[in-house]
Amino acid sequence: NAGVTQTPKFQVLKTGQSMTLQCAQDMNHNSMYWYRQDPGMGLRLIYYSASEGTTDKGEVPNGYNVSRLNKREFSLRLESAAPSQTSVYFCASSSSGGALDTQYFGPGTRLTVL
Amino acid sequence: AQSVAQPEDQVNVAEGNPLTVKCTYSVSGNPYLFWYVQYPNRGLQFLLKYITGDNLVKGSYGFEAEFNKSQTSFHLKKPSALVSDSALYFCAVRDRTGRRALTFGSGTRLQVQP
Repeated sequence: NAGVTQTPKFQVLKTGQSMTLQCAQDMNHNSMYWYRQDPGMGLRLIYYSASEGTTDKGEVPNGYNVSRLNKREFSLRLESAAPSQTSVYFCASSSSGGALDTQYFGPGTRLTVL
Repeated sequence: AQSVAQPEDQVNVAEGNPLTVKCTYSVSGNPYLFWYVQYPNRGLQFLLKYITGDNLVKGSYGFEAEFNKSQTSFHLKKPSALVSDSALYFCAVRDRTGRRALTFGSGTRLQVQP
C-alpha cells in the first residue's frame, strides 16, 4: 500500500516548456487535489476533483490544467511554464471529499522554471 | 471566505519542555480543524482533527490540540517536546458546507533544541 505517489520528484524547465506532473493513489479514494507550496504562504489549492469525471478550480488555477484519468490518477499539466510556477507541488487524496475527510499527501514534486 | 492565521513563523523550545503552536481561524459557522506536520523533503502528514464534541483533541505522536470557539483558536500542544518533533506545522480549516478542499495557514517551524 503505497498511499499517494507522485512523479517526478524533481524537474527543471525552461520558460515556455510544458510538462505533466503525475499523481496516483491506491486507497480507493474518490477525491483528489493539487496544491502548490511556496515559502511563507502555506499550501494553496490549484485544482481538485471531487470524483472521477469531475474537476474544479481552486484558489490559483491560472496556467494549469488537470485531468482525472480514472479513479486512481490525477495529473497536472503546465502548458507553458513560467518562473512564477517555480514551487513544490503536492497531490492529495481523500475518501469522499466531504468536510470530515482527512486528506493524505504525496511526497511532492519540486519544480524549478528558469 | 475561510482563512487561517499562524502568527509565529518559528517556535523554539528546549527538549523536555512543553510546546504550543498557535492557530486562529475564520470561517462561516462551525469549523472542521486540522493539524498537519511536514518533515524536510516530505509530504504533509495528518496529526489530528477537530470535528465536534470534546474541545481537547488527541492525535499522533503525543500531540493534542485545544479548540476554543470564543477565541476562534485551535492551538497545537505537546507536554514534553522531542528533538524529533522539529518540523513545519500547518493548521487548516474547512467549513461544514460544500465540498471544498482545505484552507491552510502559512506554517510554523518548530525547532526543538537538545
